Amino acid sequence: DVKVTQSSRYLVKRTGEKVFLECVQDMDHENMFWYRQDPGLGLRLIYFSYDVKMKEKGDIPEGYSVSREKKERFSLILESASTNQTSMYLCASSLGPGQGAIRSGNTIYFGEGSWLTVV
Amino acid sequence: QKEVEQDPGPLSVPEGAIVSLNCTYSNSAFQYFMWYRQYSRKGPELLMYTYSSGNKEDGRFTAQVDKSSKYISLFIRDSQPSDSATYLCAMNEIQGAQKLVFGQGTRLTINP
Repeated sequence: DVKVTQSSRYLVKRTGEKVFLECVQDMDHENMFWYRQDPGLGLRLIYFSYDVKMKEKGDIPEGYSVSREKKERFSLILESASTNQTSMYLCASSLGPGQGAIRSGNTIYFGEGSWLTVV
Repeated sequence: QKEVEQDPGPLSVPEGAIVSLNCTYSNSAFQYFMWYRQYSRKGPELLMYTYSSGNKEDGRFTAQVDKSSKYISLFIRDSQPSDSATYLCAMNEIQGAQKLVFGQGTRLTINP
């Protein structure tokens, strides 16, 4: 089974703090993603990485950055946390095009989520 | 207009009922269609995926795709309280970026 692990499930941070959300996957997937999920807004893509050190902005990248130094690890960074970044953050991974992604329908596997509250 | 529209509900039905969950979409290039189930305070888990038009059955769950109408459905037969969750549809193209486009999710409650 694919395992996507988000190390922090529940965090409370102060406005202006730098926040790191860590994610590790154990299936050698090329693609990794960070989403946020808010009531009424659904899942929104923040950043996407298709290879080590490669990243692409999603729909709502403002206020966030990412780091992917190793294939299995993808970090989301909030440089200066604000109250409007209070949300549930979901990490995900999937096979890349060279890994047979199309045969699996580009299926994405999610972690359990990290609940961030900024006060 | 959003690329994928899904009625957010909430939807509440009695145990044993047949449940129909639906999504419409606007991008005719979408080829792969998925349904995810998300329990409260958990990440979404893949329930089923289908390619192009047609039906796919897995136990009590049936996924249906009608590309001509740009409409997909998930049917749950003999619904159980354990089926209570939020159901998200998702879809993408064969070519292009590896990103899925998600519906908003429908919150479903099965009452014993």
